[in-house]
Amino acid sequence: AQSVTQLDSQVPVFEEAPVELRCNYSSSVSVYLFWYVQYPNQGLQLLLKYLSGSTLVKGINGFEAEFNKSQTSFHLRKPSVHISDTAEYFCAVTPSGTYKYIFGTGTRLKVLA
Amino acid sequence: ETGVTQTPRHLVMGMTNKKSLKCEQHLGHNAMYWYKQSAKKPLELMFVYSLEERVENNSVPSRFSPECPNSSHLFLHLHTLQPEDSALYLCASSQDLLTGVGYTFGSGTRLTVV
Repeated sequence: AQSVTQLDSQVPVFEEAPVELRCNYSSSVSVYLFWYVQYPNQGLQLLLKYLSGSTLVKGINGFEAEFNKSQTSFHLRKPSVHISDTAEYFCAVTPSGTYKYIFGTGTRLKVLA
Repeated sequence: ETGVTQTPRHLVMGMTNKKSLKCEQHLGHNAMYWYKQSAKKPLELMFVYSLEERVENNSVPSRFSPECPNSSHLFLHLHTLQPEDSALYLCASSQDLLTGVGYTFGSGTRLTVV
């Protein structure tokens, strides 16, 4: 069975500072990895995904994530955050070739002025 | 506009009421999903449809009844709900079941059961 752990439930950071949101997963099979963002009163929006190939994945809004197979991690990073990045971020994993996504519990990013 | 439209955005219903949630997508996607999002819990997959056929019924109580009349529309019929069913219900779609492109989500219906 697969599982996803987002260790930080909340991350406060000042505007223009860098941020890293952590995601660890466990799986005995190869997986696809995703990050989604949820703004207040909205659904989830796909930020980026890792399917195969280069372990550094770039997404929308200046975010990137690095797949680390040995550490089973897929941390999300942004070098300089904006107030508008305040949202909840969800990491998700699905075994390659299936539709059964497993979502983490989310990390609430709060960007402070 | 995300491409997946859910109505209504908010719904308050009593435990004896019957109501329906509607989801519509015009992205040409073949798979549609219902998820339940509760505070402090991971998203819970409820139902999966592929080409209008249900392929997943994830141990969901019978008071939730899905319907997929065509590939663009998905409904969730609700009856005799419990207060613990209060949550954000999200509809999503994807090109197909087994591709890795990710979901397109709607904005959700915030359901409150009183």
